[in-house]
Amino acid sequence: NAGVTQTPKFRILKIGQSMTLQCTQDMNHNYMYWYRQDPGMGLKLIYYSVGAGITDKGEVPNGYNVSRSTTEDFPLRLELAAPSQTSVYFCASSYSLDRGHGYTFGSGTRLTVV
Amino acid sequence: QQQVKQSPQSLIVQKGGISIINCAYENTAFDYFPWYQQFPGKGPALLIAIRPDVSEKKEGRFTISFNKSAKQFSLHIMDSQPGDSATYFCAASGSTSGTYKYIFGTGTRLKVLA
Repeated sequence: NAGVTQTPKFRILKIGQSMTLQCTQDMNHNYMYWYRQDPGMGLKLIYYSVGAGITDKGEVPNGYNVSRSTTEDFPLRLELAAPSQTSVYFCASSYSLDRGHGYTFGSGTRLTVV
Repeated sequence: QQQVKQSPQSLIVQKGGISIINCAYENTAFDYFPWYQQFPGKGPALLIAIRPDVSEKKEGRFTISFNKSAKQFSLHIMDSQPGDSATYFCAASGSTSGTYKYIFGTGTRLKVLA
């Protein structure tokens, strides 16, 4: 029972570099989400998906892109990394938003842009 | 209208004491209110949740109190223990209104002193 798996756990990028944060879940959840967590700022939604082939922007999508070609995978792409993207990134999935299912979060990717 | 306001930002409680964290919302379409617990270096995990058709829900030492008319809900941790030291997030969602994502509060960092 892997749940939600995120890779890598840590990464240092130079300004202007690109990278993909990987997220995969094995629970057959339709809903998947990417959040960033800045100190003292809570969780901000970047992008989300309600099923394969369907994605939508959250609160802070600028500088990021996503794709959802399968139910299991929801990668987050950073193009032209900037210091403002230094954060901890969490991927989450859910079967339903209520009735006790809630979100299952991955363990996060700590990204530093220098 | 999409905000969830959480207070306090940090909280220090003696072992055995009661920890109280408060959240307020404005969107009356929200109909599901979970609380998440996050330990350092880990992703948030669902702790307890409530729907607005009840005023209180208790699970062990954790209780959610819900005041629909005031649009407020709170988490009470009875007999607080050092192992409860973590960051707590409230959230809200309105799945019946077609939204598929939670709105999170900014988090409360709880420290329980031994």
